[in-house]
Amino acid sequence: QVQLVQSGAEVKKPGSSVKVSCKTSGGTFVNYAISWLRQAPGQGLEWMGRIIPLLGIPIHAQKFQGRLTITADKSTNTAYMELSSLRSEDTAVYYCAGGADYFGIGWGQGTLVTVSS
Amino acid sequence: EIVLTQSPGTLSLSPGERATLSCRASQSVGSTSLAWYQQKPGQAPRLLIYGASSRATGIPDRFSGSGSGTDFTLTISRLEPEDYAVYYCQQYGSSLTFGPGTKVDI
Repeated sequence: QVQLVQSGAEVKKPGSSVKVSCKTSGGTFVNYAISWLRQAPGQGLEWMGRIIPLLGIPIHAQKFQGRLTITADKSTNTAYMELSSLRSEDTAVYYCAGGADYFGIGWGQGTLVTVSS
Repeated sequence: EIVLTQSPGTLSLSPGERATLSCRASQSVGSTSLAWYQQKPGQAPRLLIYGASSRATGIPDRFSGSGSGTDFTLTISRLEPEDYAVYYCQQYGSSLTFGPGTKVDI
């Protein structure tokens, strides 16, 4: 059973950046994609992008082009999501999830990122 | 971008009743590139159905999915107390997008 454990909650100022980690265990990290999604308070889900650690090439949703960096460290089985130029609308719970097209391998517990001055 | 519309917004049913949730796409998502998730308050979503009709590992057979192209349905044959939650559809035929969700409550 694959487990994904995310880093803790963050409070950030507008214009700054946040980096969230997602450490995996119980599976072969390089063999499946790790995707990042977010959910604003009381809202639905939004896919942000993904990476296949074996290939190391990320894919980003067009909405986040230029602001989003997704990376993976094969030595520690950890994926990272960094979002820059934060604004209040980026306040959300950020999830990592295993899978490329649909997400059934496992989900992280979520990381609340609050953007506030 | 493919836009998904879910109906109804809220479905109020009693335990033991049948729930039928609809998901409609603004254009074809391919024959079966659709998934369904269940999300309870404070929890991450859980995959129920992928490929429009295939149940994910460990999902009870009271959950079933059907449809293709632009119209999809999630059916819960007999509601159990633990099924009260928000349900999202998601397409992966062209990039990935989610519907706004259907809340199933008592």
